[in-house]
Amino acid sequence: EVQLVESGGGLIQPGGSLRLSCAASGLTVSRSYMSWVRQAPGKGLEWVSVIYSGGSTYYGDFVKGRFTISRDNSKNTLSLQMNNLRAEDTAVYYCARDDGGYSKMDVWGKGTPVTVS
Amino acid sequence: QSALTQPASVSGSPGQSITISCTGTSSDVGGYTYVSWYQQHPGKAPKLVIFEVSNRPSGVSNRFSGSKSGSTASLTISGLQGEDEADYYCSSYTSSSTLHVLFGGGTKLTVL
Repeated sequence: EVQLVESGGGLIQPGGSLRLSCAASGLTVSRSYMSWVRQAPGKGLEWVSVIYSGGSTYYGDFVKGRFTISRDNSKNTLSLQMNNLRAEDTAVYYCARDDGGYSKMDVWGKGTPVTVS
Repeated sequence: QSALTQPASVSGSPGQSITISCTGTSSDVGGYTYVSWYQQHPGKAPKLVIFEVSNRPSGVSNRFSGSKSGSTASLTISGLQGEDEADYYCSSYTSSSTLHVLFGGGTKLTVL
């Protein structure tokens, strides 16, 4: 069974840092396009970042150099390092496989909540 | 770059059909066939129901269909059922030099 499990969320003060992880099973992170998508309370989905199978990375405009997406091939995990967190970063963060790299997100984790307060 | 534009809400009675629109620009919806639709029930992760404008993943009911005209994509759900009540989001690949994917603001579907 293909599965993604996020962890690392929690309560953090403004200006603080947090590292989210996404453990994959049934798929190989290094051979996939993997994205982070977030959803603020009561709001819609917002794309955060993607790492291509070749290693290229892209970020939403709001990130402004504060977040870094990466992967650990030996552990088959995806990570999102978030620095200088702001109240507006409060959201549930989902990792997802983007099959083919063109917004076809066919596998999602259950999400991990991040509260900046 | 702004999100794709969706109506905030739509409603329909069981058995009826509804259509949700998703309007973008020539840099995203209008320029590519990479439009997807997601269904999200409260407290759950999104679920892919349509990809590449009109394709259904395995296991998704054929009551869900997608189309596109110019810079507007549409999701149609026929034979509405109570379980279809959820939020629906469109997404599109974008040619922006920095972005990768744009999402719509979401549409709340109410089954009356």
